[in-house]
Amino acid sequence: KNQVEQSPQSLIILEGKNCTLQCNYTVSPFSNLRWYKQDTGRGPVSLTIMTFSENTKSNGRYTATLDADTKQSSLHITASQLSDSASYICVVSDGTNAGKSTFGDGTTLTVKP
Amino acid sequence: NAGVMQNPRHLVRRRGQEARLRCSPMKGHSHVYWYRQLPEEGLKFMVYLQKENIIDESGMPKERFSAEFPKEGPSILRIQQVVRGDSAAYFCASSPLERAAQHFGDGTRLSIL
Repeated sequence: KNQVEQSPQSLIILEGKNCTLQCNYTVSPFSNLRWYKQDTGRGPVSLTIMTFSENTKSNGRYTATLDADTKQSSLHITASQLSDSASYICVVSDGTNAGKSTFGDGTTLTVKP
Repeated sequence: NAGVMQNPRHLVRRRGQEARLRCSPMKGHSHVYWYRQLPEEGLKFMVYLQKENIIDESGMPKERFSAEFPKEGPSILRIQQVVRGDSAAYFCASSPLERAAQHFGDGTRLSIL
């Protein structure tokens, strides 16, 4: 059964600090891995998308890494801002079940002043 | 270049009524996905459609739920004879290709009285 596990479940940091969110998956065969940011009351917004051959991808202060061998990904947020407070969702798509992705339950990040 | 549009944003129904949720994908996107998100939980896949075809409905309850994506017009998620447990946020996403990044709408929040 395809699964995506995210940790921690929630995280509180001070403004300006860095943080790293983790995603472990058992989806096989692997197609791509995406990180989304979901603000309260809004739909998820794509931050990064990585395929098998990509180790790292950046989007401003967000940097995602992928280790396809260990089936792990991380999302690093640099110099956090209050607006980074949101849920961060890891989503993995497999190569056979077209269109159906497996979603993690998300990490809720709170950035405090 | 409008994003994914969902309406209504909020919908209140009494038990036993029907709920119709609409989703207009981004221009040029022919793949539509519906997800359900219960309070404090992650998104759960319901159904994946292309124009006039249901590709994967494995996440959708067999009874009372149906989805369509006609040749013209928005995709519709219909819930008949709603029950309290149907209360949730329903998100629609669209993509231009089968495994491309999905763009999400801001959801319809369904409340059952």
